[in-house]
Amino acid sequence: DVKVTQSSRYLVKRTGEKVFLECVQDMDHENMFWYRQDPGLGLRLIYFSYDVKMKEKGDIPEGYSVSREKKERFSLILESASTNQTSMYLCASREATEAFFGQGTRLTVV
Amino acid sequence: GQNIDQPTEMTATEGAIVQINCTYQTSGFNGLFWYQQHAGEAPTFLSYNVLDGLEEKGRFSSFLSRSKGYSYLLLKELQMKDSASYLCAVRDNQAGTALIFGKGTTLSVSS
Repeated sequence: DVKVTQSSRYLVKRTGEKVFLECVQDMDHENMFWYRQDPGLGLRLIYFSYDVKMKEKGDIPEGYSVSREKKERFSLILESASTNQTSMYLCASREATEAFFGQGTRLTVV
Repeated sequence: GQNIDQPTEMTATEGAIVQINCTYQTSGFNGLFWYQQHAGEAPTFLSYNVLDGLEEKGRFSSFLSRSKGYSYLLLKELQMKDSASYLCAVRDNQAGTALIFGKGTTLSVSS
């Protein structure tokens, strides 16, 4: 059974904090993605990675960075959290066609 | 860039058939996907079309016309559990390996 695991389901952080969202997949996929999902806006691509140490900006990378040191792990970093980064964050991995999603992390920045 | 449009909301009754449309504009089309997402859960894969035509999978079918930039998801014999958001996504060679999603269609099925 394929699995994409995000480290936290719910997270509350303060403005200005550095926040790490972790994602691990057990399918040996090369491609991993970070999206945020907001009401009325759908899923928007933040960053993706097609190989270890490789990363590409998505549609809304501002305020975020990523790290892919190992194939199975893709981390999203909020350098200095702001209230407009309150959102549901979804990690996904994909090989050929189907993308598998983690359960999501609902981040609240106060 | 990419532009993906789908209706925001739809309603239907149990046992009925519903068609959810998706139109897209991309520079380098390389596949269209449909995902289902129940409230508070992760999206799950429903279908994939890369060539024109209809793909059928049980009660769900997906159609693609690349020349028209158009797809639809057809749900037959609707059940209450089909109440969910349905997300249309395209893979665009300009965007590398990523999927670009539309805003989703929330389907409500009533008895």
